[in-house]
Amino acid sequence: GEDVEQSLFLSVREGDSSVINCTYTDSSSTYLYWYKQEPGAGLQLLTYIFSNMDMKQDQRLTVLLNKKDKHLSLRIADTQTGDSAIYFCAEKVPPGTDKLIFGTGTRLQVFP
Amino acid sequence: ETGVTQTPRHLVMGMTNKKSLKCEQHLGHNAMYWYKQSAKKPLELMFVYNFKEQTENNSVPSRFSPECPNSSHLFLHLHTLQPEDSALYLCASSLTPGQMNTEAFFGQGTRLTVV
Repeated sequence: GEDVEQSLFLSVREGDSSVINCTYTDSSSTYLYWYKQEPGAGLQLLTYIFSNMDMKQDQRLTVLLNKKDKHLSLRIADTQTGDSAIYFCAEKVPPGTDKLIFGTGTRLQVFP
Repeated sequence: ETGVTQTPRHLVMGMTNKKSLKCEQHLGHNAMYWYKQSAKKPLELMFVYNFKEQTENNSVPSRFSPECPNSSHLFLHLHTLQPEDSALYLCASSLTPGQMNTEAFFGQGTRLTVV
C-alpha cells in the first residue's frame, strides 16, 4: 500500500542544522518531494529528488535518499527562524500520474 | 503569489447550507486537484481533473461535488456537510498530467468550518 510517515515535531536552535526524516512504503515511487507550509498558506515545493539519485543539494537544502530502506531526509543548513513551518514529504505514485501521497508533516520550530 | 488562487480564504457554513469553493490558475496548466488537509492527518487527494475531465475520485462522499468548466477553473460544491468535514481545502494545478516530473503548485487553501 501507499504510506508516508514523518515525525510530527522538530525543534532546533537558530544556526544549527535541521534534519527532517520521512519513510515511505511504495517502492515504485519515481519522484519524491519536500513541500513547506507556512502558517495560513498553501504548500510550496522546496525540492525534489528522482529515485535513481542518492543525494541532491540546493543551496541550504540537502536531500538524501536511501531507496533500499525507503528513507528520505531533508537537511536544512544554518536554520533560520523563517524556516519555521510544517514540512511535508510526498511521493508520486504510481509512476506516470500526478497523484501525490503526502506524509503527516513535520512541524519545525526554530528558536533563537 | 503562487499563481493558484482560492476563494474564499475562510468559510463558515451550517450543515444545511450550500456553498462553493473556487480555484483559479492562470499558469497554463492542464491538471487541477482538490486536496483535504485535516488536523494531524496527511493531505488527502480528493479529485483530479486532466484537461477538464475527472480522472480520479478518491472515494469522496457525494456531498462534495467538483466542477471543472475549463482548465483554468475548478470548483468544489458543498452541501449538507458534517462537522468532521471541517478542514483546509487545498487546490493545486500542474502542467502536464501524467508526466514523470510535473511540479504541483498549490493555492493558499480555504479554511472551512462546518457548524
